[in-house]
Amino acid sequence: GNSVTQMEGPVTLSEEAFLTINCTYTATGYLSLFWYVQYPGEGLQLLLKATKADDKGSNKGFEATYRKETTSFHLEKGSVQVSDSAVYFCALSVQGGSEKLVFGKGTKLTVNP
Amino acid sequence: DSGVTQTPKHLITATGQRVTLRCSPRSGDLSVYWYQQSLDQGLQFLIQYYNGEERAKGNILERFSAQQFPDLHSELNLSSLELGDSALYFCASSVDMGQGAYEQYFGPGTRLTVT
Repeated sequence: GNSVTQMEGPVTLSEEAFLTINCTYTATGYLSLFWYVQYPGEGLQLLLKATKADDKGSNKGFEATYRKETTSFHLEKGSVQVSDSAVYFCALSVQGGSEKLVFGKGTKLTVNP
Repeated sequence: DSGVTQTPKHLITATGQRVTLRCSPRSGDLSVYWYQQSLDQGLQFLIQYYNGEERAKGNILERFSAQQFPDLHSELNLSSLELGDSALYFCASSVDMGQGAYEQYFGPGTRLTVT
């Protein structure tokens, strides 16, 4: 079946550091790829998305590019803030099929001042 | 605020009991999805309804059932509860991005604790 693999956390960074959270997937068909963020005690918020190969999703300084050749959708941010501390989930769905999301296990990010 | 509402926020109950979780999708969204988030299994898709009909089923136990009503709200029923059913249960509804791609928006979740 389809699967998503994220880098193991937790990740601890200092404010203004560069962030990369790796995400790779195993799936066939036309895919939509997503990053969701979960702040402490809250639900999941859609952070960014990409719906075709080489698309770059971006939001709030975060970026991720859908790379079909490497089956990856790595999340990056140039300068993290304390307020970015949260759990980040990579997810995919297959277009035109069941719209269910398949999630990675999540990566907890802590940013220290 | 995603526009998806879930009640109750917290639920504490005993083993063997039955509970009902409620979800209202965003205005105009016809699909409702249920997910379970637990420490050992992560986030798992349970079931999807579209305009009152079941559309897709995931790793949903036979003790669990769901339905979607004519006003599009959905209920997830969990029965004969076990300690292992303790988890966060999320509901989501979706927006069509075109070409068979959908974007899902999540509610705040219901935290179920089985004691």
